[in-house]
Amino acid sequence: DSGVTQTPKHLITATGQRVTLRCSPRSGDLSVYWYQQSLDQGLQFLIQYYNGEERAKGNILERFSAQQFPDLHSELNLSSLELGDSALYFCASSVSEGSPLHFGNGTRLTVT
Amino acid sequence: AQTVTQSQPEMSVQEAETVTLSCTYDTSESDYYLFWYKQPPSRQMILVIRQEAYKQQNATENRFSVNFQKAAKSFSLKISDSQLGDAAMYFCAYRRRKAGANNLFFGTGTRLTVIP
Repeated sequence: DSGVTQTPKHLITATGQRVTLRCSPRSGDLSVYWYQQSLDQGLQFLIQYYNGEERAKGNILERFSAQQFPDLHSELNLSSLELGDSALYFCASSVSEGSPLHFGNGTRLTVT
Repeated sequence: AQTVTQSQPEMSVQEAETVTLSCTYDTSESDYYLFWYKQPPSRQMILVIRQEAYKQQNATENRFSVNFQKAAKSFSLKISDSQLGDAAMYFCAYRRRKAGANNLFFGTGTRLTVIP
């Protein structure tokens, strides 16, 4: 158990809809990272937060947004969903810039 | 920009044998970290091993070891005495050693099959 909790585990929704994925980092970890893994692909970095502030953006679509709350949990909002958004979405956290990222078990999103 | 390349989409090894997975990376930074993550069929991302670029000694974790060649920007993973449970996707990853934007950059992965 990595200590990173992601909910829900699975999500099935229709095109055009909006969903929210939630992540609780490990206790004490200030940095949260979101990654997208499409079928049989590598992990693509979406966005990073540190103690509530956005630190870095990767290949995140404008239809996607995220935030980190004062209690350090984070949410990734995906709107106007398309079939191509179907993927496994991972959240990871770390305590400092030198420490490894610890990953949650992911949220599998299926857009039909 | 940092890039990580894994040129072997698939590899196979006989149980109890040794296999080496290749990884190269490109960066202009001098101080950084390199990682190997394992992703079994459960899709969890599991940290296998970590290497700090300023350390010349190659990292080792039980049956897993790396060959880190900084000048060549190469970071291969050696798995000794392969076990059935080692079957998974293996991802090489790079991370700069700086505060601020320090996300992991992943390679495309190598699928390892272990043959009984």
